Amino acid sequence: SQQGEEDPQALSIQEGENATMNCSYKTSINNLQWYRQNSGRGLVHLILIRSNEREKHSGRLRVTLDTSKKSSSLLITASRAADTASYFCATAPISSGSARQLTFGSGTQLTVLP
Amino acid sequence: GAGVSQTPSNKVTEKGKYVELRCDPISGHTALYWYRQSLGQGPEFLIYFQGTGAADDSGLPNDRFFAVRPEGSVSTLKIQRTERGDSAVYLCASSLGDRPLGGEKLFFGSGTQLSVL
Repeated sequence: SQQGEEDPQALSIQEGENATMNCSYKTSINNLQWYRQNSGRGLVHLILIRSNEREKHSGRLRVTLDTSKKSSSLLITASRAADTASYFCATAPISSGSARQLTFGSGTQLTVLP
Repeated sequence: GAGVSQTPSNKVTEKGKYVELRCDPISGHTALYWYRQSLGQGPEFLIYFQGTGAADDSGLPNDRFFAVRPEGSVSTLKIQRTERGDSAVYLCASSLGDRPLGGEKLFFGSGTQLSVL
């Protein structure tokens, strides 16, 4: 089952514009991560935000986390054609001891047009 | 190694056959994960190893699926009596294994595309 759901499923923008993707999840978490996947490749870790953080930056990436709404957003500023990929959020529920699943959402397919 | 390596990159088999998929994690990573990804979906958790032992195999869909990691490094995912519904990309990931899950960055291989005809 998917813990997170990304929105929108697909997003197409022009190079230079900003791209915003949202993620909603179901259970309480300690951390939330975002990954990127180019077509035919494995996933690459982008950024991790802890439950006591509200916002985090890394280069052109800005992630927000609202634990009261169980949601997160990923903003990519000044997008480039090379940013074209699928983006996934991933969470692990606050563990009761045995649960070790990092659960991924269904992803947002971002297309940046040159 | 420099990254997580998965072999083969593509595997075509016939319904009912047995297949093995191999994963070489990053050297020194004690945690290893198998995921399955269908087209247009996110990765779906299958099994997690900490060292040699399967610490969480709750994602394995049925008893046709089995995974081993006998020496705490290389892992093999084994699928018996393959079915067409098993067709997917099988992803392996590894991590240092020294933090609670959710607090660790996972490093993924490029996956094995399994096609069951």
